[in-house]
Amino acid sequence: EVQLQQSGAELVKPGASVKLSCKTSGYTFSNYYMSWLKQMPGQNIEWIGNIYGGNGGTGYNQKFKGKATLTVDKSSSTAYMDLSSLTSEDSAVYFCARGGSYFDYWGQGVMVTVSS
Amino acid sequence: DIQMTQSPASLSASLGETVSIECLASEDIYSYLAWYQQKPGKSPQLLIYAANRLQDGVPSRFSGSGSGTQYSLKISGMQPEDEGDYFCLQGSKFPPTFGGGTKLELK
Repeated sequence: EVQLQQSGAELVKPGASVKLSCKTSGYTFSNYYMSWLKQMPGQNIEWIGNIYGGNGGTGYNQKFKGKATLTVDKSSSTAYMDLSSLTSEDSAVYFCARGGSYFDYWGQGVMVTVSS
Repeated sequence: DIQMTQSPASLSASLGETVSIECLASEDIYSYLAWYQQKPGKSPQLLIYAANRLQDGVPSRFSGSGSGTQYSLKISGMQPEDEGDYFCLQGSKFPPTFGGGTKLELK
């Protein structure tokens, strides 16, 4: 069974950074892309970027370049997303999802709250 | 970026009623279109991909159609468990972009 398990909710201060994780199981991690997406209430879901599990190659939505950095650890089949210089506009639920442009399996989502 | 305009924004349907949701792309997306269902506090679930292909495990009352810039999701016989938010996604050109969503409720 394919599973994507995300790390827990984060409360972070403005200007800080946060690293989110997405631990996978049930499939060959290195054969698939992993995407990260952002969902804010009342707004369209946004695609942040993707990373290939095999070689760590990345592609980013221009809007999130400089904000998000995607990495993988093949040894643990885990994908990571670093979010930097956080502001209130970064408060959202973030999902990891398997796939480069279609997403067939999703993590449960993690809420990031940016507040002083 | 390709804009996905989804309609209606909300919809109320009776048990057994057939429901349709539409997505209009700002340019041809060559059937690179997926539909998702999301329930409160949960992650989206893939229903349809490639415009009309049913994801494994999804009930056959869900179907997708369309081409070019116009696509639709049909639920043939509304069930209580079909309540939720529905989104379309285009995967034709990067970045992938989503429609604004349709909130479906049981009347």
